Amino acid sequence: DVKVTQSSRYLVKRTGEKVFLECVQDMDHENMFWYRQDPGLGLRLIYFSYDVKMKEKGDIPEGYSVSREKKERFSLILESASTNQTSMYLCASSTQEGLAGVWELFFGEGSRLTVL
Amino acid sequence: GEDVEQSLFLSVREGDSSVINCTYTDSSSTYLYWYKQEPGAGLQLLTYIFSNMDMKQDQRLTVLLNKKDKHLSLRIADTQTGDSAIYFCAPRSASKIIFGSGTRLSIRP
Repeated sequence: DVKVTQSSRYLVKRTGEKVFLECVQDMDHENMFWYRQDPGLGLRLIYFSYDVKMKEKGDIPEGYSVSREKKERFSLILESASTNQTSMYLCASSTQEGLAGVWELFFGEGSRLTVL
Repeated sequence: GEDVEQSLFLSVREGDSSVINCTYTDSSSTYLYWYKQEPGAGLQLLTYIFSNMDMKQDQRLTVLLNKKDKHLSLRIADTQTGDSAIYFCAPRSASKIIFGSGTRLSIRP
C-alpha cells in the first residue's frame, strides 16, 4: 500500500521561529511536491523536486525553502515563520512519467501549522 | 495565469445524484482529474478523463467534459454518507496540475 507520511499533524509555532516540515514516501517515487491548502483557494504549489538535490519553485515559493538529500525524503523549511503562513501543508509524490502518463499524485495526510 | 473555478458547497439528499461542476481556462489541458479529500485525510485520485473523451463512467461516477466550453463535471449516482468530502477539479497542462478551490459535498438524511 502506497504511503506518504508527514511527520507532524499539528504544529504551533511563534512568529520568527524556524519551522521544519518533513515528508517521507515509501514508493520510490522520483517526484515530490509541497502544497499549501487554504479555504477557498484550493491547493497552491510551493516547491517541487524531480530528483535528489534538485528543486524547482512552484507558484508561491516566497518565505519557503526545501531540501531533498535522499530520494524518499522532502523537507519544507520556513526560515522565519509569519502569521500568514498559518495553513495546512500537504506533501505529495508521483512517479516520473512522460507527457502521456497519468501523473497520479499520492498525498500525505497534511500538517496543520499555526503561527502565533 | 490558468484558473479553475468550482462552487464551494453542495448539499444533496442521501440517495440522490450529486453533480459537481468545474470550469477552467487552459484549453491545452490534456488530463483532467477529480481528487477527493475525506475529513482529516490527504487527497486521493478519484477519477480522471483524457481530453479527447467526452464522457467516462466508472461505477457510480460519471465524468463529462465539454472542451469547447472548458467545463468539467462529476456526477455521483446514489449519493451515500461516505461520499461526504471535498472534491477538487484539477486540469493538467504541459507540466503543471492546477487545483480548483474544492467543492465540499454534504449529505442530508
